[in-house]
Amino acid sequence: AQSVTQPDIHITVSEGASLELRCNYSYGATPYLFWYVQSPGQGLQLLLKYFSGDTLVQGIKGFEAEFKRSQSSFNLRKPSVHWSDAAEYFCAVGARSSTLGRLYFGRGTQLTVWP
Amino acid sequence: EAGVAQSPRYKIIEKRQSVAFWCNPISGHATLYWYQQILGQGPKLLIQFQNNGVVDDSQLPKDRFSAERLKGVDSTLKIQPAKLEDSAVYLCASSLQGQETQYFGPGTRLLVL
Repeated sequence: AQSVTQPDIHITVSEGASLELRCNYSYGATPYLFWYVQSPGQGLQLLLKYFSGDTLVQGIKGFEAEFKRSQSSFNLRKPSVHWSDAAEYFCAVGARSSTLGRLYFGRGTQLTVWP
Repeated sequence: EAGVAQSPRYKIIEKRQSVAFWCNPISGHATLYWYQQILGQGPKLLIQFQNNGVVDDSQLPKDRFSAERLKGVDSTLKIQPAKLEDSAVYLCASSLQGQETQYFGPGTRLLVL
């Protein structure tokens, strides 16, 4: 069965510190992988995605993520966190299908940034 | 380019009442999705449309939820009658046909009392 696990419900970091948000997935085939960010009262904004090729992908706002097939992981990183990064982050996995676009989301990780 | 539009943004109803949400996808996006996001959880797909046809509604509680996408553009999601456990944010997303990246609207926050 398809599933996404984000083991950290809440993470607190100081501004300027580095960040890593963990994501593990279970999927029957090679998946597409996504990270979305959700600010309070807002919809989901795409940060980055992995489809194939280079396993280290760059996204918006200085975020990057690394796909590790052997560990079924797709962790999100940022070298220096800004106060504006405080939000909820969702990892998602989707099928390599031309018709079925369902995304399976993790429960999310809430990020708090201390000034 | 305009994003995915949803209305209303907030809705409060009593249980057993009915409610409808509207979504206007990004222009040219043939695929439209409705997700339900319960507090503390990630979004869960309710239904996927390709143009005006249903591709996947396996997770839609069909005894009370219905959705349509007439003319393959706008979509409406309806709940009738609502239950307390339907309190959630309802997100609409769209994508180009055959493309994997989904773009999300701001959502409609529903509270059922």
